[in-house]
This record gives sequence, structure tokens and C-alpha cells, in this order.
Amino acid sequence: DIQMTQSPSTLSASVGDRVTVTCRASQSISRWLAWYQQKPGKAPKLLIYEASSLASGVPSRFSGSGSATEFTLTITTLQPDDFATYYCQQYNGYLLTFGGGTKVEIK
Amino acid sequence: QVQLVESGGGLVKPGGSLRLSCEASGFTFSDYYMTWIRQAPGKGLEWVSYISGSSTTIKYADSVKGRFTISRDNAKNSLSLQIHSLWPEDTAVYYCARDAGYSGYVFDLWGQGTLVTVSS
Repeated sequence: DIQMTQSPSTLSASVGDRVTVTCRASQSISRWLAWYQQKPGKAPKLLIYEASSLASGVPSRFSGSGSATEFTLTITTLQPDDFATYYCQQYNGYLLTFGGGTKVEIK
Repeated sequence: QVQLVESGGGLVKPGGSLRLSCEASGFTFSDYYMTWIRQAPGKGLEWVSYISGSSTTIKYADSVKGRFTISRDNAKNSLSLQIHSLWPEDTAVYYCARDAGYSGYVFDLWGQGTLVTVSS
């Protein structure tokens, strides 16, 4: 199975900050990577697919980059609504795996 | 409106069984792959299983293979997950989700989740 490792596990930031979350795959997954946002008690929301494509309705302050084994999610100008947990998910092949999550909390 | 609504969760004893359901509305259900994803309390997301629109493609995570069975009824816009031999580590919120239709398995519509608790 492909293992996905996110870092950091927790990130403290302030409104207006630029935030970067990293996701590493245990083997190359090309660009088959998605990012989700989850708030407490809610279902996840798709943000990014194919490493860098923005899902419908997602604000442009969210962006994704990377390929092969290293990927990043960047939030430029962090907004109050962005404090949440973020998960990466690989879909290279038929077995899917998620990263452990990165909680973005208020500094 | 476009939505997924899960049901069927509850408290079950170790070794027991449960059937989860997910009712879809607002879109052409048969056009989409569907999936189950679970989340143990305070933990991350774990993919469980997915099924193609025609039920011809079905896959399971290794952790549930042989114990879980996914199925769908397109006439009723319904997705199911039959779970046998439940263990405490199966305690989780179970979400159904719809494939986004991009080139690969990403999920753009999720239900609210149904909680399964395995405890004696």
C-alpha cells in the first residue's frame, strides 16, 4: 500500500498568513493527489484534485502543487473560515489512502 | 437538492453485523462511482470500499476485505454497506461519498455520516 505522510500535524497561524502543508507519498503517485478540508463534526470538502486543479467553488487562495512523491497545499492570506483540518488523498491505482491530517489552528 | 443521507449506524456488540445505507438525491445516481470512507473518533480518514455505477467494479481496503460488502440499487438511488464480524477498531463515523467524475477517485459530495460503535 502507498503510505501518505503529512507535515506538520498541527500548524498555528494567524488570519492573513500564508500557510503551506506538505504531503509525501511512499512511492511515486504521478499527480494523482487530492486535498480535502474538514471542520469539526462535518464531512470533508474537496479542495484540489490532480495535485493542482481547483475543485468547483473553491476560493482561489487555495492552491496545490507537486508531483511524484512530494506535494504541497498552500493557502495564501488565511481567512477565519480556513481554520480546519486538511487531508491529502492519493488515488494512484485502485487502493486509496489518506494522509494523517494537518490541523490549522488559530495562533 | 443534491445530497447523500446515510443511515443504519448504531451500537453493536463485537462480532455483530450491521447494514449501512446511503440514499442519494438530486443527481443521476447510476452515472457515478460511490464510496464508503470511515473516520474513527478523533482520527483521520480511511477509505473502505468503492463501487462503479453498474456494480461491475468493486474494491475494498485490505482492512475490511472479507467482512464488508458494498452494493447499490440504482432503481432506488441507494448505496449499502453490509458489515460482518465487527470489532472495536471498526468504531467510526461512516461516510458515503460520490466520485467527482474527474479522472480518478476523488469525492465531491459527502453525506453527513453515520456513527457505528462496537462495544460490549
